[in-house]
Amino acid sequence: TQLLEQSPQFLSIQEGENLTVYCNSSSVFSSLQWYRQEPGEGPVLLVTVVTGGEVKKLKRLTFQFGDARKDSSLHITAAQPGDTGLYLCAGERPGGYQKVTFGTGTKLQVIP
Amino acid sequence: GAGVSQSPSNKVTEKGKDVELRCDPISGHTALYWYRQRLGQGLEFLIYFQGNSAPDKSGLPSDRFSAERTGESVSTLTIQRTQQEDSAVYLCASSPDRIGKLFFGSGTQLSVL
Repeated sequence: TQLLEQSPQFLSIQEGENLTVYCNSSSVFSSLQWYRQEPGEGPVLLVTVVTGGEVKKLKRLTFQFGDARKDSSLHITAAQPGDTGLYLCAGERPGGYQKVTFGTGTKLQVIP
Repeated sequence: GAGVSQSPSNKVTEKGKDVELRCDPISGHTALYWYRQRLGQGLEFLIYFQGNSAPDKSGLPSDRFSAERTGESVSTLTIQRTQQEDSAVYLCASSPDRIGKLFFGSGTQLSVL
């Protein structure tokens, strides 16, 4: 059973388009992270959100943590070819346990 | 080095052989994780070390898999009697704090023939 489900699984868009990736769970998380992974490399942390309803912006990327801390979204405005990669959400369960569980991943391709 | 280092970067082995994968975390990071990633998929949790606490081994897929960590430094993941389904990228990550911020190595690509 996958704790964190991401959608869509694959996304191919033209440069300049906007997109949203979703990360959903039936469980509550004390914090949630988004990572991007390029081929042959490990995932790289983009952002951490810890408060329900929190919105963080990182240039053209907007991250939101759901009010109930069970879901999150990543919105990219005016996508660029450099945004291409595998996007992974990850969550830490409450209780200070720190075991980090990863989502199923969204593979994004931005076509020039 | 400044980042998490994993070795070897690639390992090809024959079915039935044992393999040992190594991870050097960032100095001072108390937490260390091992994950497995099959081609194009998400990360599958294997094991988690936090300081001197007992490791969380709940993700190890079988008793052929084991891992050790020396204090807060090097970790090794050992796979005994490798099978073809063990072929994957094995990723190691370390973390400095309790907010789940993980820093990953580039992984070891394991191919079992």
